[in-house]
Amino acid sequence: DGGITQSPKYLFRKEGQNVTLSCEQNLNHDAMYWYRQDPGQGLRLIYYSQIVNDFQKGDIAEGYSVSREKKESFPLTVTSAQKNPTAFYLCASSNRLGNTQYFGPGTRLTVL
Amino acid sequence: SQKIEQNSEALNIQEGKTATLTCNYTNYSPAYLQWYRQDPGRGPVFLLLIRENEKEKRKERLKVTFDTTLKQSLFHITASQPADSATYLCALDPGTGRRALTFGSGTRLQVQP
Repeated sequence: DGGITQSPKYLFRKEGQNVTLSCEQNLNHDAMYWYRQDPGQGLRLIYYSQIVNDFQKGDIAEGYSVSREKKESFPLTVTSAQKNPTAFYLCASSNRLGNTQYFGPGTRLTVL
Repeated sequence: SQKIEQNSEALNIQEGKTATLTCNYTNYSPAYLQWYRQDPGRGPVFLLLIRENEKEKRKERLKVTFDTTLKQSLFHITASQPADSATYLCALDPGTGRRALTFGSGTRLQVQP
């Protein structure tokens, strides 16, 4: 069953803590992406990766970090430097940059 | 700066009518334009892609137009159904350089039975 998975679905974090969101795909896609969505707003690009061991900052990368050690995995760390981390986080993949993106179910992060 | 505008107000229509959603952009020259559907609390799902040299694209009850002169795309759902109720997002791809999609904020469609 091919697809893209994110875990956990809901995540609670205390202020000052780092937290890592998981994203895995078995679609054999080269490109992967992380977006943030706030209520009533569109998707804003945090980071993207075109290929293993390479990634680029998106429009709102401050306070976030990523790694791409394996083709199928693209974890996102929300650091304590992110001023307003409460949001819905979406991971996506495509066979290459610019092509149709396939999205995961999302992780809703709440900072307490 | 680049700007993508979708009607932030919800669109309410009666079942069976045609829904028309608008995506306008400025300071942008997309080579491709995509439309996605997003249900509450879920990730977007791809619907249609149209290229800059295409005027119109159809898929079942869906139709997309792309006018690079007006800098506008229209998304139509004919014979709308309550199951079509969702938020619809347009996304632009420059075709070169940084080819990550830029998304609009979406328009919520509500189809009344």
